[in-house]
Amino acid sequence: DIQVTQSPSSLSASVGDRVTITCRASQGISNSLAWYQQKPGKAPKLLLYGASRLESGVPSRFSGSGSGTDYTLTISSLQPEDFATYYCQQNYSLPLTFGGGTKVEIK
Amino acid sequence: EVSLLESGGGLVQPGGSLRLSCVASGFIFSGYDISWVRQAPGKGLEWVSAIGSSGESTGFADSVKGRFTISRDNSKNSLYLQMNSLRAEDTAVYYCAKHRLSDDPLIGEFDYWGQGTLVTVST
Repeated sequence: DIQVTQSPSSLSASVGDRVTITCRASQGISNSLAWYQQKPGKAPKLLLYGASRLESGVPSRFSGSGSGTDYTLTISSLQPEDFATYYCQQNYSLPLTFGGGTKVEIK
Repeated sequence: EVSLLESGGGLVQPGGSLRLSCVASGFIFSGYDISWVRQAPGKGLEWVSAIGSSGESTGFADSVKGRFTISRDNSKNSLYLQMNSLRAEDTAVYYCAKHRLSDDPLIGEFDYWGQGTLVTVST
């Protein structure tokens, strides 16, 4: 099974800050990585897939990069509506696995 | 508009069974793989199971293999999860989630999710 390690588990940031979240897979996953945003009591929302491809309707302040085993989600200028928990997910092979999540809180 | 609506959750004793349903609309249900993903209270996301668009292929997490069965009825735009031998650690919100692409057998990311149904396994 491919393990996905996400860091940090939480962070505090201010509106306007640049935020970076990383995921490391236990083996190469050929850009088969997605990022989700989840707000309390709600279902996750797909932000990016294929490591860097923005899902339709997602603001361009969200971007993704990486290759091999290491991937990054960047929010270029944090907005009030971005305070949430973010998860990465590898979809290279079964079982599909998620990172442990990163909670982005208001500083 | 794509919609996924889960039902069937509730309180069940350890060792008991429960059947979850997910009714889909707004897309060609028979053209897409669908997964169940769960989230224990206050915890992260865990993929549980997936089923291919025709229902012929399935996959399961090790934590539920042999206890859970996934099925679908494309004539009813419906997905099911039969959960047997339930344990306390199966307590979670269960989401059904549509795979974004129609041509990746059981793998992929999820572009639409239901609102979830809560399963509580307890005495």
